[in-house]
Amino acid sequence: DTAVSQTPKYLVTQMGNDKSIKCEQNLGHDTMYWYKQDSKKFLKIMFSYNNKELIINETVPNRFSPKSPDKAHLNLHINSLELGDSAVYFCASSLLTGDTDTQYFGPGTRLTVL
Amino acid sequence: GDSVTQMEGPVTLSEEAFLTINCTYTATGYPSLFWYVQYPGEGLQLLLKATKADDKGSNKGFEATYRKETTSFHLEKGSVQVSDSAVYFCALSDRGDMRFGAGTRLTVKP
Repeated sequence: DTAVSQTPKYLVTQMGNDKSIKCEQNLGHDTMYWYKQDSKKFLKIMFSYNNKELIINETVPNRFSPKSPDKAHLNLHINSLELGDSAVYFCASSLLTGDTDTQYFGPGTRLTVL
Repeated sequence: GDSVTQMEGPVTLSEEAFLTINCTYTATGYPSLFWYVQYPGEGLQLLLKATKADDKGSNKGFEATYRKETTSFHLEKGSVQVSDSAVYFCALSDRGDMRFGAGTRLTVKP
């Protein structure tokens, strides 16, 4: 009964490859997010989708493309991976129509680009 | 834009010591304020939150009060335990646009 789940937990790949990270939430939330956490633990929002519509799109290379097939899923596809993409990527979800916009986070995907 | 500033770490305390981690924010609207905790190798967990001025969030012995006059949301705990060792993040959110502080690493020694 995991609330926000991500797969894979670890991803090791070569520079130039294309990879995807999947996220699913079973909380009935209407909004999902992707964050990047660097080696110094700094967290930065990348994207946000509300009811499958993109609402936050921070300055992120266009090699990163989010896809939301439905409200419960938000996947992150990364093309032509670079060394600097190595980080932990967190998915989160929230209910914007609720009383508060508390975000609930997945366990993270540690991406290592060699 | 909205932003959060929290005290730099690392913070090292002995068990049963008093903890304060300072957090101040800048916002144009009326955001909700949060403290999240990240244990080693894990994702972020919500520790406590406050949605309006003078609200106090509390959980597991931790407390923080939403102070609009000083734009602060300092985290406190009266007696820390070794199991509290983690990275603590202060955050604000205005309708889903969440901004995090840089995180403060706390180590509690027995």
